[in-house]
Amino acid sequence: QKEVEQDPGPLSVPEGAIVSLNCTYSNSAFQYFMWYRQYSRKGPELLMYTYSSGNKEDGRFTAQVDKSSKYISLFIRDSQPSDSATYLCAMTTNQAGTALIFGKGTTLSVSS
Amino acid sequence: DGGITQSPKYLFRKEGQNVTLSCEQNLNHDAMYWYRQDPGQGLRLIYYSQIVNDFQKGDIAEGYSVSREKKESFPLTVTSAQKNPTAFYLCASSQGVTSIDEQYFGPGTRLTVT
Repeated sequence: QKEVEQDPGPLSVPEGAIVSLNCTYSNSAFQYFMWYRQYSRKGPELLMYTYSSGNKEDGRFTAQVDKSSKYISLFIRDSQPSDSATYLCAMTTNQAGTALIFGKGTTLSVSS
Repeated sequence: DGGITQSPKYLFRKEGQNVTLSCEQNLNHDAMYWYRQDPGQGLRLIYYSQIVNDFQKGDIAEGYSVSREKKESFPLTVTSAQKNPTAFYLCASSQGVTSIDEQYFGPGTRLTVT
């Protein structure tokens, strides 16, 4: 079982839809959870960052962590064509010598 | 403008040749990273460096080598020992040296080996 699982999609939605992107993980020691957004042929950029369980909201984006289920989600409200990108989840324990573990990424396409 | 530059954007090499990918940052960040991205594989860590003249292997270091002689530069050499070198290579840097520090990515270099 891989440490981080993420459905690669692709996921296609109409403009204005609510999008749900998800990752599951196996290492219960993960404490820090991130979502990176990557536009085509570009490097990823940090979108959301959460620590431990709970929700975090930033504009149209909400990151949710459920540590009991080892499940994290990114919700996008009122999706726009400019949201079309690959979304990568990433997580770490932050213990010494550990690295950030990325999911495979989910490709999202929002049509106008 | 502050940021990370990678050059070239596209690189073509013949099998058996070593090739060096450039990564430069002017963010004054301590840590730098090299990742490989393949379709459907996500990002996999090749090497990282937390300080000048020091670096550590990541998950897939075999067939790669790096150097960190200057804080702003972290070149990656893909050697002929790398069995499947064709991929998209991403360089990143972070101000801190822990895995929770935000990583800033360059635009990537797409390497094709035939």
